[in-house]
Amino acid sequence: SQQGEEDPQALSIQEGENATMNCSYKTSINNLQWYRQNSGRGLVHLILIRSNEREKHSGRLRVTLDTSKKSSSLLITASRAADTASYFCATDVLDYKLSFGAGTTVTVRA
Amino acid sequence: SQTIHQWPATLVQPVGSPLSLECTVEGTSNPNLYWYRQAAGRGLQLLFYSVGIGQISSEVPQNLSASRPQDRQFILSSKKLLLSDSGFYLCAWKWLASNEQFFGPGTRLTVL
Repeated sequence: SQQGEEDPQALSIQEGENATMNCSYKTSINNLQWYRQNSGRGLVHLILIRSNEREKHSGRLRVTLDTSKKSSSLLITASRAADTASYFCATDVLDYKLSFGAGTTVTVRA
Repeated sequence: SQTIHQWPATLVQPVGSPLSLECTVEGTSNPNLYWYRQAAGRGLQLLFYSVGIGQISSEVPQNLSASRPQDRQFILSSKKLLLSDSGFYLCAWKWLASNEQFFGPGTRLTVL
């Protein structure tokens, strides 16, 4: 069963704006990961945040984790057309398995 | 560097026909291997994972099976396809000591 749920399901923004999406999960986790999927392609790992971390940055990406609320957010700053994709959160409950949410589809308009 | 291959890229099969999808990883050894299915507009459903040759764990009861005949080869099979088997099948691998998974390009399966 899916543990993570992303919100919103879809997001449309203007180039240069920030995009924020959220992920909620149900059980305790070891870490939470965010992946990007371009249309019809495989997933690409973006960033991992461990359960004892609250915030992490990677380039234009900022991830937060609130374990008390069982939620995470992904912020993409200064969005570009190339950021158009679906974004998935994945929770790592056991060391060898990930549970993916349904994803947020982001469209960046030029 | 590591590379993961999947083939075929697309496949159209009639109901009741057999299936064999192949995934191979290059540039690493003893990877954990995974098969996922993604329905249109949905997230990924873990189907099978393997921590070693001949070791397969099934996550969801279904019409599919998996095998790992070699360290870096993972095969997804079915004896008789159902309409509900249609979807986008993704193979992934990871190092034992790592959390990040690396995905292949996927196979689009349409069962008619």
